[in-house]
Amino acid sequence: QVQLQQWGAGLLKPSETLSLTCEVYGGSFTGYFWSWIRQSPEKGLEWIGEINHSGSTKYNPSLKSRVTILEDGPRKQFSLKLRSLTAADTAVYYCARGGGGVWPLDAFDIWGPGTVVTVSS
Amino acid sequence: EVVLTQSPGTLSLSPGERATLSCRASQSVTSNYLAWYQQKPGQAPRLLIYGATDRAIGIPARFSGSGSGTDFTLTISRLEPEDSAVYYCQQYGGSPPWTFGQGTKVEIK
Repeated sequence: QVQLQQWGAGLLKPSETLSLTCEVYGGSFTGYFWSWIRQSPEKGLEWIGEINHSGSTKYNPSLKSRVTILEDGPRKQFSLKLRSLTAADTAVYYCARGGGGVWPLDAFDIWGPGTVVTVSS
Repeated sequence: EVVLTQSPGTLSLSPGERATLSCRASQSVTSNYLAWYQQKPGQAPRLLIYGATDRAIGIPARFSGSGSGTDFTLTISRLEPEDSAVYYCQQYGGSPPWTFGQGTKVEIK
């Protein structure tokens, strides 16, 4: 059974950089897209961006200037960096399998447990 | 960007009743790549339906999806107490950004 485990700092100050990592357990890393999604009361669920096993990325235009997603295939990990944080970036951040928009099963079928990220001075 | 609007905001029904949730897109969803998720408090969303009509693995048959183009529906045929949750639609066809609706809360009386 495929599971995602994620980790990273949860309390950050304005202007700092958020760094999160997600690892795939019990399944293949290749052949899929891997996404980061966040959820806040103000904006609801918001797709941040995606990466595939060959490192090809796509980002949400609303965040593109501040986001980098990287992959480490041998370790079956992918990571998120979000720069220049403000209070508006406070949210629960999820990693998920899915994206790409090519196949019907490109929906987000596996989710990590989520990381609560608070941006406050 | 495709904007998804869900209705109603809240649905309050009794066990055994039928729930009908609506999701309307601001433009046609490419290839009908529309998914539905269930989210309970403190948990990540769970995929119920993908490709507008196909149930994900392990999802009970009382959950069904229908629709195409800009209008989609999630139906829960006979509500169980454990179906109390927030339900989201999401489109993932064509080009990103992939977008979500604002959610419908289903309450079981």
